[in-house]
Amino acid sequence: DTGVSQNPRHKITKRGQNVTFRCDPISEHNRLYWYRQTLGQGPEFLTYFQNEAQLEKSRLLSDRFSAERPKGSFSTLEIQRTEQGDSAMYLCASSSSDRAQETQYFGPGTRLLVL
Amino acid sequence: AQSVTQLDSQVPVFEEAPVELRCNYSSSVSVYLFWYVQYPNQGLQLLLKYLSGSTLVKGINGFEAEFNKSQTSFHLRKPSVHISDTAEYFCAVDGAGKSTFGDGTTLTVKP
Repeated sequence: DTGVSQNPRHKITKRGQNVTFRCDPISEHNRLYWYRQTLGQGPEFLTYFQNEAQLEKSRLLSDRFSAERPKGSFSTLEIQRTEQGDSAMYLCASSSSDRAQETQYFGPGTRLLVL
Repeated sequence: AQSVTQLDSQVPVFEEAPVELRCNYSSSVSVYLFWYVQYPNQGLQLLLKYLSGSTLVKGINGFEAEFNKSQTSFHLRKPSVHISDTAEYFCAVDGAGKSTFGDGTTLTVKP
């Protein structure tokens, strides 16, 4: 098991461009989470999936953000018309069940810089 | 609603000294509590978690934490730190299937 992987690790883009990040969870983990982490703060919850179903979205997730997990395995997070305020580290995590006490395993993150 | 407050943003300490990183939480439901460590350019790694039972929880790398329900605290401790413990530490509460994190405490261990 190679753990949670995220690609790309770094992304620099110009304001107004669209970007897409990918997360590959630990195999057979049915829960997948996206968080955003800005400098000096802890991760903030964005959304999560139970298999392919997106069960909750944070108010932080504006209409420019969309996440998918079409086959219940990998997930993508797309940001349209990026803004400088979107610059952050985007973290993905997965867990093996829908019980809150199950450990979330985090990927290394994708660091986004919007110029 | 749930929230987490990490009372110290930075904690400098000398090698082999004891350390305590403080965390207070609030939640309207029963909670599960976690401490994570984040090394530079890496993802978060679970140190320990409190689910139920004994209020003293032992984790990896010699860390332990004590759950105090009356004070709504979950402080992290280590009796003797190493240079390699230098990292960012996050306390988190999970009461509804997703985690709410504190803003982190930077632990810097000096020789």
